[in-house]
Amino acid sequence: NAGVTQTPKFQVLKTGQSMTLQCAQDMNHNSMYWYRQDPGMGLRLIYYSASEGTTDKGEVPNGYNVSRLNKREFSLRLESAAPSQTSVYFCASWGADRRGDYGYTFGSGTRLTVV
Amino acid sequence: AQSVTQLDSHVSVSEGTPVLLRCNYSSSYSPSLFWYVQHPNKGLQLLLKYTSAATLVKGINGFEAEFKKSETSFHLTKPSAHMSDAAEYFCVVNLNAGNNRKLIWGLGTSLAVNP
Repeated sequence: NAGVTQTPKFQVLKTGQSMTLQCAQDMNHNSMYWYRQDPGMGLRLIYYSASEGTTDKGEVPNGYNVSRLNKREFSLRLESAAPSQTSVYFCASWGADRRGDYGYTFGSGTRLTVV
Repeated sequence: AQSVTQLDSHVSVSEGTPVLLRCNYSSSYSPSLFWYVQHPNKGLQLLLKYTSAATLVKGINGFEAEFKKSETSFHLTKPSAHMSDAAEYFCVVNLNAGNNRKLIWGLGTSLAVNP
């Protein structure tokens, strides 16, 4: 009953450090997304992958890279973290949910602080 | 330009009274529309969606929304607020341009429910 699983849930990085946020979905969805959420700014799309083997930039891609490792997994990498990347990150996939409705399913989020 | 406007950044109601969260959109396409809810320190959950079927859409937890094309609105309502409804609510437009779904998120409405 997992849906979309993100790890880690919390992370503190020093400026300049790198890390990878992991995301996996078990619903056989083609499309996956990475968003960041900041107070007063709603959700902003970082990158998305319409299908396995493809990735595209979203609204705020600078400072990030992504990998669509296979149909299940879509990771987000920060090569050199900056304080401006302090945010809550959400992974999502699009497709039929467990009730058979089509829509977006979100992970529970990763709260990242860069000091 | 495509956009979503949530007309109130904060709404406060008393328990047992009606809830109205307003959303207007601007789109050149026939959009799909969603409402998501986010409880404090939680992920995003789909409340309901409109996808060109019935204009009055019923969702979970007693919420419903009406799509009014002439007014380009998709307001969220609930007849009687419950304390557990206190959360952040996001109106989302899915332009679904070709194979690249493009979501546009409103900035959110924070709903407070007073005893």
